[in-house]
Amino acid sequence: QSVLTQPPSVSGAPGQRVTISCTGSSSNIGAGYDVHWYQQLPGTAPKLLIYGNSNRPSGVPDRFSGSKSGTSASLAITGLQAEDEADYYCQSYDSSLSGPGVFGGGTKLTVL
Amino acid sequence: QVQLVESGGGLVKPGGSLRLSCAASGFTFSDYYMSWIRQAPGKGLEWVSYISSSGSTIYYADSVKGRFTISRDNAKNSLYLQMNSLRAEDTAVYYCARGNIRILDAFDIWGQGTMVTVSS
Repeated sequence: QSVLTQPPSVSGAPGQRVTISCTGSSSNIGAGYDVHWYQQLPGTAPKLLIYGNSNRPSGVPDRFSGSKSGTSASLAITGLQAEDEADYYCQSYDSSLSGPGVFGGGTKLTVL
Repeated sequence: QVQLVESGGGLVKPGGSLRLSCAASGFTFSDYYMSWIRQAPGKGLEWVSYISSSGSTIYYADSVKGRFTISRDNAKNSLYLQMNSLRAEDTAVYYCARGNIRILDAFDIWGQGTMVTVSS
């Protein structure tokens, strides 16, 4: 059970907007630590999608955006496409744990 | 191109040992810290271990502390994970990942993963 909580699943129709939440606490997101998001397409390794709460690496479409407020962060995907169907993970740092970061439990996005 | 390639996975009996390797190419390996991250079948990502760029600082998840040892050889551009006293719950795909301080410590490069199965 992760210290970062994500909904197990979300869904949306093509063209719609969906959001995925990542809820933490005062020892991680609420303490000001950055949140990163990863996309894992079926059968592949995770890929960095958003870093530092809201920054997109080169090559990531601007349909993907991230935000952070208080003890939570969100990933938004607009203009949903079939190829966006994947698992999405948030990651941050937690001061009560050792090491560089902790992952959320992951959210399965289904494109209807 | 920038790449990480894991190897060394396989089937091992409970209590056995395995050594994973991760070969880096396309970037200055010694400039980056590295981590091992695993994913049990059908489950989420779990960070396992961290090693600083020089190898002087190391961390482990509580679930593997005392059983796993991370190391690196910067001359060979390689990362390793020695896994001892393996348990069924260690069954997972193991990824090596590059941590990048230039982008706020995100894991920006991942290998394709190597499967470790612990079963009798």
